[in-house]
Amino acid sequence: SSELAQDPAVSVALGQTVRITCQGDSLRTYYASWYQQKPGQAPVLVIYSKNNRPSGIPDRFSGSMSGKIASLTITGAQAEDEADYYCNSRDTSGNHVVFGGGTKLTVL
Amino acid sequence: QLQQQESGPGLVKPSETLSLICTVSGGSISRSSYYWGWIRQPPGKGLEWIGTIYYSGSAHYNPSLKSRLTISVDTSKNQISLKLSSVTAADTAMYYCATRITGALWDAFDIWGQGTMVTVSS
Repeated sequence: SSELAQDPAVSVALGQTVRITCQGDSLRTYYASWYQQKPGQAPVLVIYSKNNRPSGIPDRFSGSMSGKIASLTITGAQAEDEADYYCNSRDTSGNHVVFGGGTKLTVL
Repeated sequence: QLQQQESGPGLVKPSETLSLICTVSGGSISRSSYYWGWIRQPPGKGLEWIGTIYYSGSAHYNPSLKSRLTISVDTSKNQISLKLSSVTAADTAMYYCATRITGALWDAFDIWGQGTMVTVSS
């Protein structure tokens, strides 16, 4: 089992706002990063270090953290946002990288 | 812009050693700002961190794989290699090479290769 827990599936109506969460004890200390993965493709980094977007990532993607929960928010979800989303951070020792189990986002 | 391309045998027999190469183009792997990581994804499942290495050769491994794993760097060839011994069907996965960016309290993998599929089967 992963040290970072994610809901297996989330859905959102087109154009609405959705929050995908990632929970783990290590998030009290370390920041989360987020990845989008579409079928048959490699993951793409969409948020790093809590709330930083790489070049080319739309500003409808944002990140936040509170306590041991990290969140990825998509404001005004588009059809092309339908994908699997993974969080990652460090484990509680700080020495290793861990990934969440992933959340499948469906845009209705 | 850095790019990575993974390569490997595709099919490995149980109990044998899996060997993969990540060839980097568009820059030198000796850039001090980059670490290099391997991540895998079994079919239909989530991402699993395998390990990370700095160009100097300093490496960190997933504790669950550490006893079977070796990651190394060849700066002369601009390549990162992965060797995983005593493989079983549970090691069947897409294997990705990625650049890791890091800060004091965070890590992220910002540039990913397309991955190479490895199947463990007799």
